[in-house]
Formats: sequence, C-alpha cells, structure tokens
Amino acid sequence: GAGVSQSPSNKVTEKGKDVELRCDPISGHTALYWYRQRLGQGLEFLIYFQGNSAPDKSGLPSDRFSAERTGESVSTLTIQRTQQEDSAVYLCASSLIRATGELFFGEGSRLTVL
Amino acid sequence: TQLLEQSPQFLSIQEGENLTVYCNSSSVFSSLQWYRQEPGEGPVLLVTVVTGGEVKKLKRLTFQFGDARKDSSLHITAAQPGDTGLYLCAGLITGTASKLTFGTGTRLQVTL
Repeated sequence: GAGVSQSPSNKVTEKGKDVELRCDPISGHTALYWYRQRLGQGLEFLIYFQGNSAPDKSGLPSDRFSAERTGESVSTLTIQRTQQEDSAVYLCASSLIRATGELFFGEGSRLTVL
Repeated sequence: TQLLEQSPQFLSIQEGENLTVYCNSSSVFSSLQWYRQEPGEGPVLLVTVVTGGEVKKLKRLTFQFGDARKDSSLHITAAQPGDTGLYLCAGLITGTASKLTFGTGTRLQVTL
C-alpha cells in the first residue's frame, strides 16, 4: 500500500501477557517513529529509528517495552507483561527527510489491557 | 517535563467564530509543524515553519512562528464543523537532533 500500515488495528489482552505491534512504513522512508497516545491526550514519544544508526530509545517508559527495525523496513514494538496502564493507541510514523520532513502516520494499534 | 505546552486544552465554539491556539516552549525550535488528528486516524500535517517570524496561510488557517522560534500560534477564521479535531504542534528542538516532540494538544469542537 501507499501509506503506513499498522497491525493489528485492535488488540485486547489480559494483564501479564506479551503483545507485539507491527508497523510497515512507506517504502524508502528512512526515519520511523513510535508514539503512544492515551485517550484524549497528545502523543508521547517512544522510540525513533533513522537508517542504520542506533535508535533513540529515550522515550521507552520501562524495560518491558522494546522495539526493533530491520534496515529501513518493518518495525515491531513489543510490550512484555502488559499492565492496564499500557492501554492506549500506539501510532507509528515514517518520514523521508529527518530534520523537517513531514511525518506520515498509520491509523494506530489500539491496545486494551484487561 | 513537557517541552511543548499548548493552550487551550479544549475549545468548543460555534460555526463562524474565530479562534487561536498557542504552542509554547522554553526551548528554541529549529522547525515546527502543526498536525490535525481526527478520531480513529493518525495525525495529518497542516504546515511546517522554519524561520523566526514566519507567517503561513492555508485557506482559513494562519500559522505564525515566533521571532525567537520558541512559540507558535494557529489562528482559524470563521470556523466550520469540518475543523473539528485534535490540533498538535510538533517541534524539532535545537540540540535534540533526532526526534520530533509533540505538544499536549488542543481539542477543538465546532458546532452548528
């Protein structure tokens, strides 16, 4: 597809389970971001990938959160031992130009932890 | 610590009214963007500003970047129900070369 694709679009899980969220960026985009958005709130930065450079993980809230990206392709965000406070929409965005480039967002993965 | 503060947080107005949304920081931005997000979707870029004092117009929307590049405003003239959404500013702050930081957001509702 032409846009950023995220899956699953909705995920309901039980507390303590692990979840994996996937992001397929726009082809050729070197930069990829993950953000978390709690209900009715703004975007909270989680992690940033730029080409083959070391990722900026400064926004990950705990060691239960991790993300990987292979080259300039798909990225996965993994949350281990989920907690109720992890419930949110997880948005992925990609960009062609790092500094001032437009971010193209996917529709997000809505995670509900029961 | 929230680097980018937006005000107001919520705004409910009637069709035809004017409004201004503010985005402020104590840090200097090398560039700043405004996005609009509708329910169930990701944010969509409205504008990018890079020069202090810059003013950009997009139909009924006017964006201004402060002279010191620490603040920005979004003014909407004659608001319409289609303007309803969450407005987010996002800045690339000087010294944080890698990540775009988003503001706290302003939720706008325009009613008939």
